Amino acid sequence: QQKVQQSPESLSVPEGGMASFNCTSSDRNFQYFWWYRQHSGEGPKALMSIFSDGDKKEGRFTAHLNKASLHVSLHIRDSQPSDSALYFCAAKDDKVVFGTGTRLQVSP
Amino acid sequence: DPKIIQKPKYLVAVTGSEKILICEQYLGHNAMYWYRQSAKKPLEFMFSYSYQKLMDNQTASSRFQPQSSKKNHLDLQITALKPDDSATYFCASSQEAQGGNERLFFGHGTKLSVL
Repeated sequence: QQKVQQSPESLSVPEGGMASFNCTSSDRNFQYFWWYRQHSGEGPKALMSIFSDGDKKEGRFTAHLNKASLHVSLHIRDSQPSDSALYFCAAKDDKVVFGTGTRLQVSP
Repeated sequence: DPKIIQKPKYLVAVTGSEKILICEQYLGHNAMYWYRQSAKKPLEFMFSYSYQKLMDNQTASSRFQPQSSKKNHLDLQITALKPDDSATYFCASSQEAQGGNERLFFGHGTKLSVL
């Protein structure tokens, strides 16, 4: 069973819109969460981490963590076509485990 | 300039053959990893090394053998290749392996196709 589940599988938003991703883990040993982004033909790149309950904002990106429900989310405001990519949630206990991924398409 | 170099970028192999995937990192990191990505599965952890020592192995098959000749090298030898081994293999590194909030840095990957 996949320990880190993401939804939706794919997402399409217009340029300037808000993109939202969800991630739920099934293991309470996970203490640190990251969001990664992968453009086509490249390796994943880290966007931001969160390990305290609540919101964390970095520019257009806001992450939210609820440890009680093991739920993490990522929101991208003012989405740009260059944000089109595969987004992964990642959680760490003794190793980093990646979620199933959400593919974002931002249309001009 | 890429700080994690994977070679080759594309690799075609025949069933039953053996291949070595190369990875070098120039970030000064002490931990290195291999992940596999295929259409059927998301990024799947394979191995982690810290200071050239194997820390974790989540690969069921002994056909996959990591090799670390230097601290900044972690190659992946795959023997008796099967079509199911077709995937993109990513090398990654982090400053330390056991730190709580380590960010992973990934190479561009080696896309392996087994015919």
